Amino acid sequence: AQSVAQPEDQVNVAEGNPLTVKCTYSVSGNPYLFWYVQYPNRGLQFLLKYITGDNLVKGSYGFEAEFNKSQTSFHLKKPSALVSDSALYFCAVRDTGFQKLVFGTGTRLLVSP
Amino acid sequence: DGGITQSPKYLFRKEGQNVTLSCEQNLNHDAMYWYRQDPGQGLRLIYYSQIVNDFQKGDIAEGYSVSREKKESFPLTVTSAQKNPTAFYLCASSTGEGRPGELFFGEGSRLTVL
Repeated sequence: AQSVAQPEDQVNVAEGNPLTVKCTYSVSGNPYLFWYVQYPNRGLQFLLKYITGDNLVKGSYGFEAEFNKSQTSFHLKKPSALVSDSALYFCAVRDTGFQKLVFGTGTRLLVSP
Repeated sequence: DGGITQSPKYLFRKEGQNVTLSCEQNLNHDAMYWYRQDPGQGLRLIYYSQIVNDFQKGDIAEGYSVSREKKESFPLTVTSAQKNPTAFYLCASSTGEGRPGELFFGEGSRLTVL
């Protein structure tokens, strides 16, 4: 079965510093990978996806993610963090067959001023 | 504006009662989903529907029921058989065409069992 793992419950970073939120995956076949963000008591918002092609994927709000096949990773990155980036981030993989997504457990990002 | 509307946003229920959560979308999406979110467990799929009048169980369907009589609507009923119903429930939809896996989420419904 397809799965993703987010090894960090929380990531702390100072405003202006680069941030990385980690995700590793386990899939059979080619992976379709996604990042979503959730602000408190809200639904999830799509950030970016990797389907095929360039290993560096650019998304919304200045976020990008690097697909690494050899390390089975899909880490989310941003060159300069903002306080407003503080939220819960979910990595996800498309399940086999239909468009079901399997989500990780989430990583809380806290950006301090 | 197009989007997904979930209601109610907050709901309290006594043990033994069934409750129904509403989910309506005006995005003209074929597929709709219900996820449950618990702290530290991420999102777990309850039910999903690819097309009107058809739906499938997800990973944690026990104690829940759904219907898909209209393309726009996918209500979720939390029955008294659900042992631990207190959670945040998220409805989502997707079109699939050219944008595989991109889900659009509603704002969620928080159910608390008293």
